[in-house]
Amino acid sequence: EAQVTQNPRYLITVTGKKLTVTCSQNMNHEYMSWYRQDPGLGLRQIYYSMNVEVTDKGDVPEGYKVSRKEKRNFPLILESPSPNQTSLYFCASSFNRATTEAFFGQGTRLTVV
Amino acid sequence: AQSVTQPDIHITVSEGASLELRCNYSYGATPYLFWYVQSPGQGLQLLLKYFSGDTLVQGIKGFEAEFKRSQSSFNLRKPSVHWSDAAEYFCAVAPMDSSYKLIFGSGTRLLVRP
Repeated sequence: EAQVTQNPRYLITVTGKKLTVTCSQNMNHEYMSWYRQDPGLGLRQIYYSMNVEVTDKGDVPEGYKVSRKEKRNFPLILESPSPNQTSLYFCASSFNRATTEAFFGQGTRLTVV
Repeated sequence: AQSVTQPDIHITVSEGASLELRCNYSYGATPYLFWYVQSPGQGLQLLLKYFSGDTLVQGIKGFEAEFKRSQSSFNLRKPSVHWSDAAEYFCAVAPMDSSYKLIFGSGTRLLVRP
């Protein structure tokens, strides 16, 4: 079954404690991206990756890092989380560009206290 | 400034009634256009997309959308709503000059009355 898998689904952490949210896709997609969803703001793009070892900033990259060492994985790293990063995070993948259908993970609800 | 606007935060319709969700965009050139649906606790699923050609686009679950260049709009419609359509709907655009970015509107939450 084609899918994008995010882990964990829910996470509560404390300010400053580094964390990683994993994302994996099994469709051999080249393009992957991370979004955060906040009430009234829709989804905002954090980072995206066009292929292995190729990443670029989206609209809200501050406080986040990503890496793309393998085609299937695109982890999101918060080196020093702060309360304003409390949000619902989605990973997505598509065949090669944002113009093709994006497949989304089920989301990670992150709370930073 | 480039933007995607969904003017309705909430819409409530009765089951069986027709539905129209509005989306307006502000870009220099016609971008690629999408509608996604998010069911409670789920990720987003693509309903339909417009790249070029016929301005009336058919999607899944009985949805359609019409692109109107003169109004910079891409409204989503469904002739008869089912209770299972209750969800949040997002309009999104991928600018032609930056097609690695997908920019979302703020969403419209659809409530369906029995």
